[in-house]
Amino acid sequence: DGGITQSPKYLFRKEGQNVTLSCEQNLNHDAMYWYRQDPGQGLRLIYYSQIVNDFQKGDIAEGYSVSREKKESFPLTVTSAQKNPTAFYLCASSQIRTGWSYEQYFGPGTRLTVT
Amino acid sequence: AQTVTQSQPEMSVQEAETVTLSCTYDTSESDYYLFWYKQPPSRQMILVIRQEAYKQQNATENRFSVNFQKAAKSFSLKISDSQLGDAAMYFCAYRSAQDDKIIFGKGTRLHILP
Repeated sequence: DGGITQSPKYLFRKEGQNVTLSCEQNLNHDAMYWYRQDPGQGLRLIYYSQIVNDFQKGDIAEGYSVSREKKESFPLTVTSAQKNPTAFYLCASSQIRTGWSYEQYFGPGTRLTVT
Repeated sequence: AQTVTQSQPEMSVQEAETVTLSCTYDTSESDYYLFWYKQPPSRQMILVIRQEAYKQQNATENRFSVNFQKAAKSFSLKISDSQLGDAAMYFCAYRSAQDDKIIFGKGTRLHILP
């Protein structure tokens, strides 16, 4: 089955540690995205990538880093510089083609708790 | 910058009844796409329906339909014959035809009363 996997579902870390969230897709999509979801805030874009070895900052990129070494993978690192990292993180992917209304497909999410 | 506003943080509807969720957006562009996503308690985001701005006809998917008013920049979702499985957070979303980013509203939590 084609889809997006995120692991792990729940992640716990101590304050001051970097942590990497995994996102893999086998949909052959060009673009991948990371969102952060907090209660009452909707989804806020952290980073996105439209092609391998290239990515752009979203609205709340501070304290996060990403890489896109393979088309299928787009890991997100939450660094110790992120002031409030506890949140639910969603990864998404989509095809990209100007003029087409491609929607984004989402993974099941990772709940990160930092104490 | 484009914005998406969902003015109803929570709504409730009786099972089998019809409910309408509101969404307004702000953009200066003429070519864009609108979406409604559903996020059930599992937190898996699921696309419910999409609308291309260049299409005048309102999109419909089974019990889900939209009322797209381009001039008013309004994009409401109507759920007919509400079912218990419709209980979820619903997000309205906007994507410019010139961009690959999607902008989401803050969501409306829908409760279905048995």
